[in-house]
Amino acid sequence: GENVEQHPSTLSVQEGDSAVIKCTYSDSASNYFPWYKQELGKRPQLIIDIRSNVGEKKDQRIAVTLNKTAKHFSLHITETQPEDSAVYFCAASKGGSNYKLTFGKGTLLTVNP
Amino acid sequence: EAGVAQSPRYKIIEKRQSVAFWCNPISGHATLYWYQQILGQGPKLLIQFQNNGVVDDSQLPKDRFSAERLKGVDSTLKIQPAKLEDSAVYLCASTYGTNTGELFFGEGSRLTVL
Repeated sequence: GENVEQHPSTLSVQEGDSAVIKCTYSDSASNYFPWYKQELGKRPQLIIDIRSNVGEKKDQRIAVTLNKTAKHFSLHITETQPEDSAVYFCAASKGGSNYKLTFGKGTLLTVNP
Repeated sequence: EAGVAQSPRYKIIEKRQSVAFWCNPISGHATLYWYQQILGQGPKLLIQFQNNGVVDDSQLPKDRFSAERLKGVDSTLKIQPAKLEDSAVYLCASTYGTNTGELFFGEGSRLTVL
């Protein structure tokens, strides 16, 4: 089955700096890559996603890049703010009738004021 | 639009006891998932339903875990007997389609096994 590796497990940045979280996946058939944000004690919520026919996608301060050849995708957050502090999970899926997400282990991002 | 509802939010039991969790997905969502999230890890899929049929239960420890979605709407997840390593948050999620798209998660049910 699919295996998703995520790095780093913890990341601490100063407010206003950029943060980058990286993930690799094992199944070359995977074609959908979402990122979820989970604040302490809350439910995971989708913040951005990318499909395999696109190399990069942006939404205000967040962006995701995908390298299908290397089976690698990354989350970039610019101009970080304290409210960005949370655990971020990457995930991968093949889609289709058996659509399910395989998650990475998560990255705890701390933005220091 | 109401979100995914789960209950109870918290449960503490002794090992070897049983526990059941309930989930009501967003109205109209055909696909329902139960994920197990152990502290410090990402969610791990236990079982996936499409309507009232099981699509994937390959990672469900079937000797102690069971789940059902009899009428294709709400679902229950049962653990019997519980082990210490079952301590986790059990997240229910649903999605409208069966092909791709956002998973909408509930707040989760936190289980502590003593």
